[in-house]
Amino acid sequence: GAVVSQHPSRVICKSGTSVKIECRSLDFQATTMFWYRQFPKKSLMLMATSNEGSKATYEQGVEKDKFLINHASLTLSTLTVTSAHPEDSSFYICSARPLARDYEQYFGPGTRLTVT
Amino acid sequence: GQNIDQPTEMTATEGAIVQINCTYQTSGFNGLFWYQQHAGEAPTFLSYNVLDGLEEKGRFSSFLSRSKGYSYLLLKELQMKDSASYLCAVADSNYQLIWGAGTKLIIKP
Repeated sequence: GAVVSQHPSRVICKSGTSVKIECRSLDFQATTMFWYRQFPKKSLMLMATSNEGSKATYEQGVEKDKFLINHASLTLSTLTVTSAHPEDSSFYICSARPLARDYEQYFGPGTRLTVT
Repeated sequence: GQNIDQPTEMTATEGAIVQINCTYQTSGFNGLFWYQQHAGEAPTFLSYNVLDGLEEKGRFSSFLSRSKGYSYLLLKELQMKDSASYLCAVADSNYQLIWGAGTKLIIKP
């Protein structure tokens, strides 16, 4: 149990376009989902915390108008990278926290975004 | 501020034992996690400690001392597939994970 999926696993897009990444908890409900970004050989950087039915909480330095997060249901959160630039190329990972289990987080497999 | 320290890189020999240390200073504490991450993949959960002491799970064990702000991950009978980065993370007062930079473990035959 506790499986999180991400789609797509890899995406290549042109500079200036937008890309949507989906994060789904497949066999549990998650009131909270987290979006991370990871640069090569670096640790995870939390971008934002997404709560179902409310606005996401963004970490300092993360542009909320550029990284749009929607948590429309207890099993789905989406991250949209708007007007992508080459510097947005990165590995984006989501994680989901099950209901009433604050100490647990389950990670999706990640999405490799390359902006050309 | 919040800070988690772990060594950048360690090297060990196949079949041996290695201990990866992690020290932390965070606002609140709701447990410490160890994750394994292979290159290009998402982290996978290894262990969770919230009380002092040693938790053993197969070849992997994790230790916590809250008074010292210290944890270690112990890997026994090392295998080549254990070559990976090992991430230490602490859940703060809001259960938000604060991540260490990770320790790259290199296993040599």
